[in-house]
Amino acid sequence: ELKVEQNPLFLSMQEGKNYTIYCNYSTTSDRLYWYRQDPGKSLESLFVLLSNGAVKQEGRLMASLDTKARLSTLHITAAVHDLSATYFCAVDKSNTGKLIFGQGTTLQVKP
Amino acid sequence: GAGVSQSPSNKVTEKGKDVELRCDPISGHTALYWYRQSLGQGLEFLIYFQGNSAPDKSGLPSDRFSAERTGGSVSTLTIQRTQQEDSAVYLCASSPLGGAYEQYFGPGTRLTVT
Repeated sequence: ELKVEQNPLFLSMQEGKNYTIYCNYSTTSDRLYWYRQDPGKSLESLFVLLSNGAVKQEGRLMASLDTKARLSTLHITAAVHDLSATYFCAVDKSNTGKLIFGQGTTLQVKP
Repeated sequence: GAGVSQSPSNKVTEKGKDVELRCDPISGHTALYWYRQSLGQGLEFLIYFQGNSAPDKSGLPSDRFSAERTGGSVSTLTIQRTQQEDSAVYLCASSPLGGAYEQYFGPGTRLTVT
């Protein structure tokens, strides 16, 4: 059974600091997705990572994928309050688009 | 363009009643997914439609849950004889072709079973 685990589950940080969220998964997959969810809102797609070594960046967020280690990271650079949200990673089960989600990491950026 | 829409946005029902939740995917998207988000279970895959193929129902938690997709577009998720543990936000997503394409999520339907 495919399991996806995120670490940490809650992160409180000061504006301007850097931090990394980790996403480990238990079986082979080369398709990983990162989503953002604001309170009371739906999921917004951030990154789609489709191969080993893939790296994508958007603003202060950068995501990478290491399929051999079954690990993806979401790196936050110089955090700002607007980044406060819950971040989910998800792995594609069976390459069909059926996503198995991690527990989510709630990020709180304090001024 | 228009995104994925879902209705109703909120639904309160009594235990034992049946409910229907609707999803309108993005026009032209052939793949449609239903997920459930609850405090206890997180985000769970429920069912997947791809074109005219038979749906993948492997995530449905019980036989009280069913879904259909008419004309390759609108989908309805039906929960019969609702139980309190069915209370959750039901999210629908669509993608152009399924597989590696990113999924676009709707706003969800918050279901509360009293």
